[in-house]
Amino acid sequence: EDKVVQSPLSLVVHEGDTVTLNCSYEVTNFRSLLWYKQEKKAPTFLFMLTSSGIEKKSGRLSSILDKKELFSILNITATQTGDSAVYLCAVSPSGTYKYIFGTGTRLKVLA
Amino acid sequence: DADVTQTPRNRITKTGKRIMLECSQTKGHDRMYWYRQDPGLGLRLIYYSFDVKDINKGEISDGYSVSRQAQAKFSLSLESAIPNQTALYFCATAASSYNEQFFGPGTRLTVL
Repeated sequence: EDKVVQSPLSLVVHEGDTVTLNCSYEVTNFRSLLWYKQEKKAPTFLFMLTSSGIEKKSGRLSSILDKKELFSILNITATQTGDSAVYLCAVSPSGTYKYIFGTGTRLKVLA
Repeated sequence: DADVTQTPRNRITKTGKRIMLECSQTKGHDRMYWYRQDPGLGLRLIYYSFDVKDINKGEISDGYSVSRQAQAKFSLSLESAIPNQTALYFCATAASSYNEQFFGPGTRLTVL
């Protein structure tokens, strides 16, 4: 059965800290892995990763995929209170166009 | 204007009632999805559709049905609502040429 597991489930840090969120997966015929940020309502897209070892960056956020070890990490440097959210990881197997989501990591950044 | 819209945004109903949630998109995407989100369980796929003639069950389709009336519209129905269908429901779209999903604002459904 296809599965996506995120860790930790929740995390509390102080502004300025660096955090690393983890996403491991077991899927048949991997196509891509996506990261989303969910604040109050709808998830918003952060990154899509398809190739191993290639880092995607956007400002203070970055992500990398390891297809051999079947995981991805999302790094946030110099955290701000606006980074407080649930971060979701999803994997899309090839041939299906479905997305399997993890349960998310709830990040709280204290001022 | 939002690219993916959902109506209603909030709904309270009683057990046994028929409920329809609607989703419209202006992105021109051919793929559309319905998810429900429950605390601690993440997003779970209910149904998805690749075009108006294609409907596929997701992991939790029991108790739900869908209709793809046009490329831009995808409706989710609860034929006889029950309390454990209380959840936040999201519609999402994606283009065939790219894998990113775009989410609607969500519908909070409460079944009493």
